[in-house]
Amino acid sequence: KAGVTQTPRYLIKTRGQQVTLSCSPISGHRSVSWYQQTPGQGLQFLFEYFSETQRNKGNFPGRFSGRQFSNSRSEMNVSTLELGDSALYLCASSLNSDFSNEQFFGPGTRLTVL
Amino acid sequence: DAKTTQPNSMESNEEEPVHLPCNHSTISGTDYIHWYRQLPSQGPEYVIHGLTSNVNNRMASLAIAEDRKSSTLILHRATLRDAAVYYCILRAPIQGGKLIFGQGTELSVKP
Repeated sequence: KAGVTQTPRYLIKTRGQQVTLSCSPISGHRSVSWYQQTPGQGLQFLFEYFSETQRNKGNFPGRFSGRQFSNSRSEMNVSTLELGDSALYLCASSLNSDFSNEQFFGPGTRLTVL
Repeated sequence: DAKTTQPNSMESNEEEPVHLPCNHSTISGTDYIHWYRQLPSQGPEYVIHGLTSNVNNRMASLAIAEDRKSSTLILHRATLRDAAVYYCILRAPIQGGKLIFGQGTELSVKP
């Protein structure tokens, strides 16, 4: 079974631009979560989608948004980029939202904002 | 948010057992204890999880204290490939089950 894939793997943007990152979960998985990882803040939860609905949201400004499609693929969007948005963005999928289920992480998208 | 406390770093020798401690004194009865690890330049990887009883899988064992206020991840024979940051996480239904990562323990393995 193919793992979680994220595209693109690397991205360079400038302040004020917007960016869209994509995540394809493991086949059959319906839950997708997004995380931001920075050296200063570590791994922080952004949001979770299940069956096209946002189920949970972390403490990030409204510039960060996401969506999930009927095939469970997910995208996250960051508008009006700031230097502090430079980070590794990780996507994780799981079979469903059961709290005992493991999450499978993708390799991440490295975003650099200049 | 449900919090865990782990040592910042630990060292181990190759082929010796490793015991990684985690304190979670504010755990509630329905919170699951999950462990993930992150190897350099990779996304986190699931290791093991449990609720009340000790758990074993092919990667590791999880020992949970009787009062559930602490747990220990046990790697039975450390290899160089086990060098990673290990995260102990409480997955709490009251928080919607999201994974809240702390700073983790950076494990180094010496040959």
